[in-house]
Amino acid sequence: DTEVTQTPKHLVMGMTNKKSLKCEQHMGHRAMYWYKQKAKKPPELMFVYSYEKLSINESVPSRFSPECPNSSLLNLHLHALQPEDSALYLCASSPPAPQGYTFGSGTRLTVV
Amino acid sequence: AQKVTQAQTEISVVEKEDVTLDCVYETRDTTYYLFWYKQPPSGELVFLIRRNSFDEQNEISGRYSWNFQKSTSSFNFTITASQVVDSAVYFCALRGGIQGAQKLVFGQGTRLTINP
Repeated sequence: DTEVTQTPKHLVMGMTNKKSLKCEQHMGHRAMYWYKQKAKKPPELMFVYSYEKLSINESVPSRFSPECPNSSLLNLHLHALQPEDSALYLCASSPPAPQGYTFGSGTRLTVV
Repeated sequence: AQKVTQAQTEISVVEKEDVTLDCVYETRDTTYYLFWYKQPPSGELVFLIRRNSFDEQNEISGRYSWNFQKSTSSFNFTITASQVVDSAVYFCALRGGIQGAQKLVFGQGTRLTINP
C-alpha cells in the first residue's frame, strides 16, 4: 500500500461546528504532516508529527487541533473556524530524509 | 532560512512544444534535497523526482528531464514534446538536511497549460 488516504474529500461546515479530518497511511512512515493550501498558492506546513509526537506547530491557531492516535493515523480537529480557513487540507507522510513525502488527495473544506 | 523561487507564474504552450520550468533555491544546509511535484486539478500532489545536493547528475525520465546546477542554485525541469495531459501546477520544493529535515518548503508553483 503506497497511498495516503484522506477523508472526507469535501466538507462544508458552519462557524460553530466541530468536525474532524482524517488521514491514514500504511507505509510504515513515522513522520506525518498537515499542510494547508489556499487557491493558487503553494501548500503551507501546519503541523509535523514524528513517532506520534508533535514536533512542529507552525503557529497555527488553536481552532485547529491535531492528533496522532497511532503511527498510521493522523486527525485534524476543527472548531469555531472562520470563512478564511476555507482551503484544501493536505496530509502527507514520509520516511526519514532523503525520501520525499507522499501526499493524500486532500480535503476541500468550506466554512460558511 | 530556506526559500524556493519559481519566477514563472503561468506558462502556456501548444502541444508538442518543449517547455522548461525554472526553480531557484536558497539554503544554508550543506546537505539538502530538491523535489518536483505535479498537482493536477484533482488536488493530489504527485511526486516526480528527488535530487540530493551531493549528486549533480542530470536525469531523464521519458519526456521529462531535470537540470541541477549547484553553482547557480537551480533545479530546472524540462518537458519535451509536451502533451495536454501535462497541464497542471508544478511545484519545486526543498527539504533541508538537518535543521530543515522535517520541513518541505515549496515554491509558488508554475501553472502549465498545454493547448491542443
